[in-house]
Amino acid sequence: EVQLVESGGGLVQPGGSLRLSCAASGFTFSSYSMIWVRQAPGKGLEWVSYISSSSSTIYYADSVKGRFSISRDNAKNSLYLQMNSLRVEDTAVYYCARDQYYRYYYYIDVWGKGTTVTVSS
Amino acid sequence: DIQMTQSPSSLSASVGDRVTITCRASQSISNNLNWYQQKAGKAPKLLIHAASSLQSGVPSRFSGSGSGTDFTLTISSLQPEDFATYYCQQSYSSRSFGQGTKLEIK
Repeated sequence: EVQLVESGGGLVQPGGSLRLSCAASGFTFSSYSMIWVRQAPGKGLEWVSYISSSSSTIYYADSVKGRFSISRDNAKNSLYLQMNSLRVEDTAVYYCARDQYYRYYYYIDVWGKGTTVTVSS
Repeated sequence: DIQMTQSPSSLSASVGDRVTITCRASQSISNNLNWYQQKAGKAPKLLIHAASSLQSGVPSRFSGSGSGTDFTLTISSLQPEDFATYYCQQSYSSRSFGQGTKLEIK
C-alpha cells in the first residue's frame, strides 16, 4: 500500500524551530518529487515547498522562503521540512504529498494524513 | 508567482443539481491544472489532472475543462457525498492553489 506518514509536529513558541519528517512506503520514493502543503485552521490549502527526486530542484513559497528548508534522504525513504524562525501564522496542519509526473503533467496523487504545528506563546 | 482565483468561494446546491466551479490563473498555464476535493478533517483527494483527465476511481459525474487561464470543474448531478470543499492547483510553475470553493447543501 502506498503510504505517507508525517511526524514531528507539536507546540512551539514564536521564533522557535521544528523539524517535520515524512516516511514513505509502498512505492519507489527516489523516483518521485515531493511536496509539503499546509492548511491553517479554517483556511485553504497553501503549497509550502517542492523538492525534485534527486534534490537538484527546490522551490519555496514566498511566505516561508529563508526560514524553511526542505530535504530528503532517498536511502531512508524520508522527506523533511526544517522550520526555523516560526511565526504564529505558521500554525497549520502540514501535509506531505507525492508529486506524480505522467504524460508531461504533474499532479499530487498521494497525501499523508498531516501533522499539526502550533506556534504560540 | 502564479495566482489562482476560484469562484464562487461558496455555493449552496441540492442533490441532483448540476454545479460548475471556475478557476482562473494569473497567467497562461496551458493544461497544467488539477482539481482536488477535501472533506472536513481529511487530506485532499485528486479528482482531475491535466485540466480534464479524470483520476482513476473518481465518478464520471465529475469533469474538467479549460486551457490557458480559465478552467472549470463540473459536477453533473450532485450526490450527498459531493458536499465538500474543492481546490484548483497549478503545476506549470512551482505550485499554487486556489482559495477553495465550499459546496454546501441547500
